Parts: sequence; C-alpha cells; structure tokens
Amino acid sequence: DAGVTQSPTHLIKTRGQQVTLRCSPKSGHDTVSWYQQALGQGPQFIFQYYEEEERQRGNFPDRFSGHQFPNYSSELNVNALLLGDSALYLCASSREFYEQYFGPGTRLTVT
Amino acid sequence: SQELEQSPQSLIVQEGKNLTINCTSSKTLYGLYWYKQKYGEGLIFLMMLQKGGEEKSHEKITAKLDEKKQQSSLHITASQPSHAGIYLCGADGKGGGADGLTFGKGTHLIIQP
Repeated sequence: DAGVTQSPTHLIKTRGQQVTLRCSPKSGHDTVSWYQQALGQGPQFIFQYYEEEERQRGNFPDRFSGHQFPNYSSELNVNALLLGDSALYLCASSREFYEQYFGPGTRLTVT
Repeated sequence: SQELEQSPQSLIVQEGKNLTINCTSSKTLYGLYWYKQKYGEGLIFLMMLQKGGEEKSHEKITAKLDEKKQQSSLHITASQPSHAGIYLCGADGKGGGADGLTFGKGTHLIIQP
C-alpha cells in the first residue's frame, strides 16, 4: 500500500514565476491538506480539500490556490513567487475524522 | 488562534537514558497529535490523543494528554539512536482530525552514543 506521494522532490524557481506541486493521497483517503514549513519552524496549514472543494483555509494569500481531482489527488499552485515562499511544502491525506499522514514533501527554492 | 509551545527546543541525551518533551496549548485541546520528522523530510505519525487523561504507548514511546492543563507530554524510555530527529506536536480546533493542524516549532532530539 503506497503512502502519500508528492512531486517533484525539489524545485528551483525565479521570483515572479508560478509553480504547481502535486500530491497523491494514501489509498482509501479522501481528504488532502497542504502545509508550508519554513526552515526551523513547524508546518503551517495552507488549506484542505474534501470532495473537490476547499473546505478550510489557513492564513495564506490568494496567490496560493489548489485543486482536488475526482481520484482525490491534489495540486497546490503558487503565483507570483516571492523569496519568502522558499520552504518545504508538505501534503497530508486522511479519511475524515482520522489522523493525517504526510508525504515526503517538495523542497521549493525561489531565487 | 491556537498556539502550541514545545519545550525544550532542543535536547541532547545519552543513549539509554529517558527523556520527556512537553507541548502546551494556548487553548483547549480537542485533538493532539505527535509526529517525528527527519531533517528536510516528511512527518511520521506517532500517536493521536483525543480525551483528557488519555495515554498511549508504542514501543518505547508514551504520550499523555492533560486536558485541564492544556498540555501533552511525550516520554521516551531507554533512548536509542533511531529516536533522534525533530518531534512535533500538532492540534486541531475541533477534534476528530478533520481540520488543518496547528503545529509547535518542534523539539530537536540528539542521541549521544
């Protein structure tokens, strides 16, 4: 049983560009959450998708958007990249009301 | 908004010794989660606590939830090199795991041989 997978592993982008990160949830999970983890900090909640809709959102600007597909996989899009967007982006999946399982993350570097 | 404070921030322990990590919340805890993270990698789920006074154990790791104190502790017995890493506590606002989690900054654990 494959766990949560994320792609790509690493990514380098330039300020002002746009980026798309992808996540495939663990088998049997229908909820996907995205987190941003800056160096030396705990993960910060970006948003959560359930039934292809954004169900909950953290304190992140509209430059951060997402999508969930019918097969429960998800994408995180970030527009107009800033240097401060450099971080490890983590995807977590869960079945509703159960614990969240995390993927290995995507390391985004903005230069 | 809920804030979680972890203590200590870092911990160096000799192999074989016991240790405790604490997580204190600014608000009532409905669901408390413990994760372990190797540097730059994803989080590994350890335990979820949902009821006051609840205590769970897995191998040499025990976690407790003190609802009145809005606090949780993680205790490792007879530490091993494999226990080294960053321990993170996370909480959700309503319990049940359906919400986005708020995390502490983590406790960096180093095991000295």
